[in-house]
Order: sequence, then C-alpha cells, then structure tokens
Amino acid sequence: QQQVRQSPQSLTVWEGETAILNCSYEDSTFDYFPWYHQFPGESPALLIAIRPVSNKKEDGRFTIFFNKREKKFSLHIADSQPGDSATYFCAARDSNYQLIWGSGTKLIIKP
Amino acid sequence: NAGVIQTPRHKVTGKGQEATLWCEPISGHSAVFWYRQTIVQGLEFLTYFRNQAPIDDSGMPKERFSAQMPNQSHSTLKIQSTQPQDSAVYLCASSLDPGKVFFGKGTRLTVV
Repeated sequence: QQQVRQSPQSLTVWEGETAILNCSYEDSTFDYFPWYHQFPGESPALLIAIRPVSNKKEDGRFTIFFNKREKKFSLHIADSQPGDSATYFCAARDSNYQLIWGSGTKLIIKP
Repeated sequence: NAGVIQTPRHKVTGKGQEATLWCEPISGHSAVFWYRQTIVQGLEFLTYFRNQAPIDDSGMPKERFSAQMPNQSHSTLKIQSTQPQDSAVYLCASSLDPGKVFFGKGTRLTVV
C-alpha cells in the first residue's frame, strides 16, 4: 500500500534536547527516503535523505536512522535550537519516481 | 538559478470564476509536480509530469481541475468554476534527480 505514516503530529522539546520524528511505510519497493522542513510562510525544502542500503545518515545535528526490516525511519535533531522550529515532512520515493508524503510533524523548540 | 517560479503569488477569485496558475520549473529539470497545501488537509499531491508528459493525475479533482505542460519551461494549473474549498496554497515543484524536489514559493488562491 502506498502510504507513509508520520508521528507525532506535533512535538515540543526544550532547547538542547534531541527531537525524534518517526515515519513508517509498507511498500518495500520504496527506494529513497527524504526529510523536508517547512518554515512558516515558506515552502518545503529538502533537509536530508537516505537510501535503504544505509541504516544511518548524518548531516551535522540531523541524523536519519533507517530500519529496513521494520520499514521505519526516523529523524533525530540533536542539540535542538529554536531556529529548528518548523514542520517536518518525511517522504518515500515509489517505483514511478514519485514522492509519497507523510502528514507532517509540527516541531516547536522552547528556549 | 532563480529556482521554481510561480505566478501570481496571490490570487483572489469570485466563486464560479476561473483561475489559472503558472509555474516555470528550474531549467533542465525533467519532472514537474503540483501540490495543494491547506492547514486542514496538509500537503496534497495533485499531478505530475515527466519530460512534459502527464504521468499521474490521481490527485486532481476530475471535474474542474486541469493541468498542462505545453513546453519544458512552463506548466499551468487551471481551476474552472472555483469554489471556496479550492482556497489553498498551490505549490509547484520540479526535480532532476527523482526524490530531490525543489518547490516554488507557491500561489495563495483565495475564493470569495
């Protein structure tokens, strides 16, 4: 089934903590898993992505953990900053080269 | 590289009128996507072109929505007989590498 489930819908963490955003999927043919962030009044922009040959991808404070067996992937934001407050979307690419999007997580970082 | 260009940025139409939204993808990008975003529904896929050919329009409301890509430098989304529930931000995106999608700034459509 072509669906990507994302949780939680909203998340509030204190500055300096690690924020963890979760996604899961069912279609084993998905082959690319990006995360996008969207700041208020702006459009979504690519943040970081992973292919299923890897189980971890890091870029600074942002890390994707990927579990192919369980069909789950998560975004960890370490040492979270108020400027990280945004809506985060996970997605998965299908065999038609189209992205299937999660429903988004609104992340608020409290100073 | 000016990115994906969408015009107009804001459009107000009366109920029942037609609205045409324009998108200029990034030069050289082979895929163009249209999405609609609202607070309630979130990010909704509408339609997708690859090399100007329509690939998937499964998200398009069939009766009043249509999209075209007459050449590689622009795509249009047309909404006939606009209704208040069509009010949303319409996002156009393009990509060269499947999965790495670049979004335009969007057109905010308000139907009054």
